[in-house]
Amino acid sequence: DAGVIQSPRHEVTEMGQEVTLRCKPISGHDYLFWYRQTMMRGLELLIYFNNNVPIDDSGMPEDRFSAKMPNASFSTLKIQPSEPRDSAVYFCASSTGPAGATYEQYFGPGTRLTVT
Amino acid sequence: KNQVEQSPQSLIILEGKNCTLQCNYTVSPFSNLRWYKQDTGRGPVSLTIMTFSENTKSNGRYTATLDADTKQSSLHITASQLSDSASYICVVTIYSGGGADGLTFGKGTHLIIQP
Repeated sequence: DAGVIQSPRHEVTEMGQEVTLRCKPISGHDYLFWYRQTMMRGLELLIYFNNNVPIDDSGMPEDRFSAKMPNASFSTLKIQPSEPRDSAVYFCASSTGPAGATYEQYFGPGTRLTVT
Repeated sequence: KNQVEQSPQSLIILEGKNCTLQCNYTVSPFSNLRWYKQDTGRGPVSLTIMTFSENTKSNGRYTATLDADTKQSSLHITASQLSDSASYICVVTIYSGGGADGLTFGKGTHLIIQP
């Protein structure tokens, strides 16, 4: 299996622009997670899906962030409008079980977002 | 407030030496604790997952211990190799949680192995 696939790997955009990050989970994994990592705050869970349905979005920082999962093999995280403080590495992960249980999570390589 | 504190923030050791990384948490009620290894520019990779009833879990040269009474965990690396250079992240889960509020992340320990 190719593992979790994310695109793009790097994104540089100007403040105010819309940014869309993409993720393809491992086939057969029913859970998909979006994380953000910064030096200041470390790793944070933003939202996760089960069977394409958002289960918990309490980690989403504000309304500028939205995530969708139109099918089992694709998810997007959108930021509109983007701000410099959104600069971070965004990871997608997939699993066969929920975040709070003892299921392995498999992370993608991440998308490094820079907002100028 | 649920918190996970890791120490040291960074550590440099010589190849072949052993080292121990610490994770102290105030998360309650506790469900499980994970250690992740994150290479530079890569996503985290799971090393161990322990529930409250487990005291020790090993994964090759990595051994994690858990003391649920003192709310402390450690990750011991034996006979370090250059490939062990990475950040190590401790993550603690709340028992009733399943979502974002149920996970508390440490800031990580940055480990450098020198030849």
